[in-house]
Amino acid sequence: NAGVTQTPKFQVLKTGQSMTLQCAQDMNHEYMSWYRQDPGMGLRLIHYSVGAGITDQGEVPNGYNVSRSTTEDFPLRLLSAAPSQTSVYFCATGKGPGYEQYFGPGTRLTVT
Amino acid sequence: GQQVMQIPQYQHVQEGEDFTTYCNSSTTLSNIQWYKQRPGGHPVFLIQLVKSGEVKKQKRLTFQFGEAKKNSSLHITATQTTDVGTYFCAENTGNQFYFGTGTSLTVIP
Repeated sequence: NAGVTQTPKFQVLKTGQSMTLQCAQDMNHEYMSWYRQDPGMGLRLIHYSVGAGITDQGEVPNGYNVSRSTTEDFPLRLLSAAPSQTSVYFCATGKGPGYEQYFGPGTRLTVT
Repeated sequence: GQQVMQIPQYQHVQEGEDFTTYCNSSTTLSNIQWYKQRPGGHPVFLIQLVKSGEVKKQKRLTFQFGEAKKNSSLHITATQTTDVGTYFCAENTGNQFYFGTGTSLTVIP
């Protein structure tokens, strides 16, 4: 089992470019979520999904879109990258929000 | 949203010394989870506390949930260099998680 995978590991974007961060899990978890991690600010929830076809906003959703067409995949789209979106992005999955969360290895994104 | 305050932000200890990190909330928490993140790594789940006054132990790690369910602590006895990393608490309200800002632990050999 691969667990939770994220691609790419690193990415550099120019301001205004768009891209999609991929997250996939083979644990058959219903709950998936995206976080960004910035120095001194812990992990902040961007978007989450409680199952295929259902998504909702977290604490810091502006500038990001998500979709959940399958149980396995939960891509995060940056519509028009800004330097403020420079961060490390983690995808996490769990049986549900009240259960332990399994994190992917992360994507380090730099926007210039 | 919910806010979980975590202190201290940084802690340097000599190997063999004890270490404690605290999480505090102004509201009653339904549960609290603890995670560890090694430098350059991703958060890894350690434990979940649910009951008022609950105490759980994992080898040298002791986790407590306050009687009023508004605070929690993680205590490491006799730290080792393998304990290096950032420790986060996280509280779950409805479908959302709120993480503390983390305590970065450095262990000096």
